[in-house]
Order: sequence, then structure tokens, then C-alpha cells
Amino acid sequence: AQSVTQLGSHVSVSEGALVLLRCNYSSSVPPYLFWYVQYPNQGLQLLLKYTTGATLVKGINGFEAEFKKSETSFHLTKPSAHMSDAAEYFCAVTRYGQNFVFGPGTRLSVLP
Amino acid sequence: EAGVTQFPSHSVIEKGQTVTLRCDPISGHDNLYWYRRVMGKEIKFLLHFVKESKQDESGMPNNRFLAERTGGTYSTLKVQPAELEDSGVYFCASSQDPGTVITQYFGPGTRLTVL
Repeated sequence: AQSVTQLGSHVSVSEGALVLLRCNYSSSVPPYLFWYVQYPNQGLQLLLKYTTGATLVKGINGFEAEFKKSETSFHLTKPSAHMSDAAEYFCAVTRYGQNFVFGPGTRLSVLP
Repeated sequence: EAGVTQFPSHSVIEKGQTVTLRCDPISGHDNLYWYRRVMGKEIKFLLHFVKESKQDESGMPNNRFLAERTGGTYSTLKVQPAELEDSGVYFCASSQDPGTVITQYFGPGTRLTVL
């Protein structure tokens, strides 16, 4: 069975600082990996996804994530945090024909 | 293109009452999913429709939950009778015929509070 862990239910960074949100997965076969973001009072929005090919994936709003098979990780980063990045971020794993399995989420706060 | 819409956005009911949640997927998306997030925990899969057929309902918690998708368009999720532990946010998502990878597009969710 697939599972996803996200280290840190709440992460705080200063505006302009590096954002690093951690995601580790367990899967018996190479997975497809996703990051979704939920802004207050909104639905889940796709940030980026990894399926095959290049392991460094670029998404919207300056975010990127790197698939590291040896570490079973798919950490999300952004070089410089902006106040508008404050939201909850979810890592998810799936395989073709299977349903999404989500991590517990990480709430990002950006301090002025 | 309109996204996934859900109605209502919030619902507050008393234990024992019935509530029906509605989801309208993106036009042309045959796949429709329901998820639930309870008490800040993980978002968990409930079920998956392909057109009007239930492809996978392994995540449905019990027989108080009934999902339908008549005509393969919008879907409803009925909870009858509601219990306190049913409180949470119910998300709907839709996707196209998958090909090799399914990207699911999510609605804003319905926040259900059972008192």
C-alpha cells in the first residue's frame, strides 16, 4: 500500500527566505507524485507533478520539486517566500489506475 | 472553462439529520471522485465514478453514505443519518479519461458540521 508522510504540520518562514516542505512516500513501484496547495477558503490547486522523465519539476508560482528515488522523497522548494504563499500544502502519490493517497498536509506561514 | 463546483459550501446540521452534497465536474470529465478530510487529518478517498458507474467505493466509511451520479454528469453524496464523526470537508475532483496519468482537478469543498 502506498503512503505519504509530510514532516512538519506547520512551517514558518520569513518573507524572502527559502521554503522547504518535505514529502516522503512509500510505494512498491515508482509512483506519480503531486503537490497541491489550498489557499484559505479555496479548493485544492495543482502546483506541480512528477510522472516520468526529468526528476526536477517546475510548477506554478516559482515552486519546484525534485523526485529522489533513492530517498523516496519529493520535497517542495521555493527560493524566496512571498506573503501570498501562506497556505496549506499537500503531497500526494498515485499510480495509473489507483486513487490518490494524500499526506497530512503542511501549513505554511510567511512572516513579514 | 469552469472548474469543479460544489454545493453547498457550508452545511450545519444536527445529528440524525440528512444532508446531500452536490458536485459538478468539469465538462467532459468522465471520472469523478469524492474525498473527505476529517478534523485536519489526511484527505482520504471515498469513491470513484467513471461516468455513472462506481469504479471503486472502497473508501466509503459505512452504509450511511450514498453516492450517485445519474446520467454521468453531476454527483450527489448523501449522508443519512448524519453522525458527529461525519463532520469535515468533503472534496470532489474530476479528471479526463486517464491515458497514462490522472491529474485530478478539485473543487472548493463542502464543509459539513454535524452538531
